[in-house]
Amino acid sequence: DAGVIQSPRHEVTEMGQEVTLRCKPISGHNSLFWYRQTMMRGLELLIYFNNNVPIDDSGMPEDRFSAKMPNASFSTLKIQPSEPRDSAVYFCASTAVGGSHNSPLHFGNGTRLTVT
Amino acid sequence: DAKTTQPTSMDCAEGRAANLPCNHSTISGNEYVYWYRQIHSQGPQYIIHGLKNNETNEMASLIITEDRKSSTLILPHATLRDTAVYYCISGGGADGLTFGKGTHLIIQP
Repeated sequence: DAGVIQSPRHEVTEMGQEVTLRCKPISGHNSLFWYRQTMMRGLELLIYFNNNVPIDDSGMPEDRFSAKMPNASFSTLKIQPSEPRDSAVYFCASTAVGGSHNSPLHFGNGTRLTVT
Repeated sequence: DAKTTQPTSMDCAEGRAANLPCNHSTISGNEYVYWYRQIHSQGPQYIIHGLKNNETNEMASLIITEDRKSSTLILPHATLRDTAVYYCISGGGADGLTFGKGTHLIIQP
């Protein structure tokens, strides 16, 4: 099991540029979550998908943020235009939802985004 | 997700059992208790979870009180590599989990 795979591992960009973060969930998992972590705010849930459908995007901070899940094995989080305050570590997590036993979230190793 | 309360930090001697407490007094009947840990610059790592029975796996044991208002994570023989932030979360899982600030566990040599 390769686990949740995120790319890139590090991203440095200038303010105003578009940033795309990528995530490949664990095969067979049908729910995917995007989190953001900063020193000030800790881990925040941005958006999550069930069966490729966005369920709750209330955590997305602004319209500059968008997320897609075109198929069960791939998701993107896009920031356009990026701002310095978007600098954070972005984590993707996946789990298998269903049945009587809750499956825990499995996290990737994150993308460290720095916007200058 | 129900709110949880954890101590900000704890120390434990290497080789001893580390007992991390968590209060979740507002947990509802169908919400699980999950424990994760995060080592610097890595993603949160799942440790264990339970509903009302005590649970044990290769990493840790989870003791949940009968009224389910609190729990304790036990690392039986702590090593230096167990130094991390430990998060206790109560919730349903399917809607994502809300992370608090966790307990910074420092294992002393």
